[in-house]
Amino acid sequence: QKEVEQDPGPLSVPEGAIVSLNCTYSNSAFQYFMWYRQYSRKGPELLMYTYSSGNKEDGRFTAQVDKSSKYISLFIRDSQPSDSATYLCAMSAGGTYKYIFGTGTRLKVLA
Amino acid sequence: DAGVTQSPTHLIKTRGQQVTLRCSPKSGHDTVSWYQQALGQGPQFIFQYYEEEERQRGNFPDRFSGHQFPNYSSELNVNALLLGDSALYLCASSGDHWGPYEQYFGPGTRLTVT
Repeated sequence: QKEVEQDPGPLSVPEGAIVSLNCTYSNSAFQYFMWYRQYSRKGPELLMYTYSSGNKEDGRFTAQVDKSSKYISLFIRDSQPSDSATYLCAMSAGGTYKYIFGTGTRLKVLA
Repeated sequence: DAGVTQSPTHLIKTRGQQVTLRCSPKSGHDTVSWYQQALGQGPQFIFQYYEEEERQRGNFPDRFSGHQFPNYSSELNVNALLLGDSALYLCASSGDHWGPYEQYFGPGTRLTVT
């Protein structure tokens, strides 16, 4: 079993829809959670950074962490065609410097 | 404010050769991590450099080595290249050395081994 599981998609939604992207994990020591957006053949772009449980909002993006369920989510409101990309979750435990990434979910927002 | 930069953008090498990739961190950052991203996969941690020392290493063989310079820039060296080393190599920089922190990635170097 992988430490971080992420549905690869593709996920296709109409423009303006609310998108929900999710990751599950098995390591209860994970405390630091990040979401990245990666366009084709480019480096990942940091979207959200969350420590421990709870919600964090930034513009159209909301990140949620439920440590009791070992489940994290990224919500995108009013999705745009420019949001079409691969979304990667990443997480890390305290006392270590490496992040474990999911395989990424491909999102397509249709105009 | 310059972000993370990497060079070269693309590279084609032959099996058995050696390659050096370069990274300059974001301004104000002192820590550099290297990741390998195979097609359709998430990045995999190779190692991290801080204060010119390798601080942590992932599950990669000794063929993968690195260096950090006093100006915080870094190099990734891969010896005896294998076909399976073909991937996007990503550098990430960060500024807080007391544990995990926000990491910012560069555009990557795409390495093709033939």
